[in-house]
Amino acid sequence: DVKVTQSSRYLVKRTGEKVFLECVQDMDHENMFWYRQDPGLGLRLIYFSYDVKMKEKGDIPEGYSVSREKKERFSLILESASTNQTSMYLCASGGPGWGGELFFGEGSRLTVL
Amino acid sequence: GENVEQHPSTLSVQEGDSAVIKCTYSDSASNYFPWYKQELGKGPQLIIDIRSNVGEKKDQRIAVTLNKTAKHFSLHITETQPEDSAVYFCAAKDSGAGSYQLTFGKGTKLSVIP
Repeated sequence: DVKVTQSSRYLVKRTGEKVFLECVQDMDHENMFWYRQDPGLGLRLIYFSYDVKMKEKGDIPEGYSVSREKKERFSLILESASTNQTSMYLCASGGPGWGGELFFGEGSRLTVL
Repeated sequence: GENVEQHPSTLSVQEGDSAVIKCTYSDSASNYFPWYKQELGKGPQLIIDIRSNVGEKKDQRIAVTLNKTAKHFSLHITETQPEDSAVYFCAAKDSGAGSYQLTFGKGTKLSVIP
């Protein structure tokens, strides 16, 4: 089975702190994604990557950056966390050619105080 | 860009009844329509999908229908069971080469009452 692992299930950070969210997939997928999930807003794409060192902005990239140094790992970075970034963050991966199916991790719930 | 509207936002049904969730999309170029189920504390998981060359697809108790002319698609769950209780998301995507954007609806929280 495909496994997408997010390193932290729950994080509590203070305003202004730098935050790293790590995601690792074990299926050699080229494509990886970071989504943000908020009640009533569904899943919104922050960034995605279709290859090592490649990244593209999604719908809500402001305040975030990403890093993909290895194929299996995709990191989301909040340079200076703010309270409006309190949310559930979901990482996903998709296979070659990417017909559309995504495999999601279990999520990282971030609270910024 | 693509816009996906999903209704209803919440749905309660009695065990054994059917549940229907509807979505509309705006981009006529979209031709891949998946449905995801998210159980409490877990990430979304694909349960069924349909491509534009097909009008209906079934998998046991779940089915999806697509009307490309009207730009809407629906999820049908028959003989609902308590384990069907979850949040369901529809999505749409342009399957063209280089297209990576999967746009999600806002979700439907389904509660199946025993």
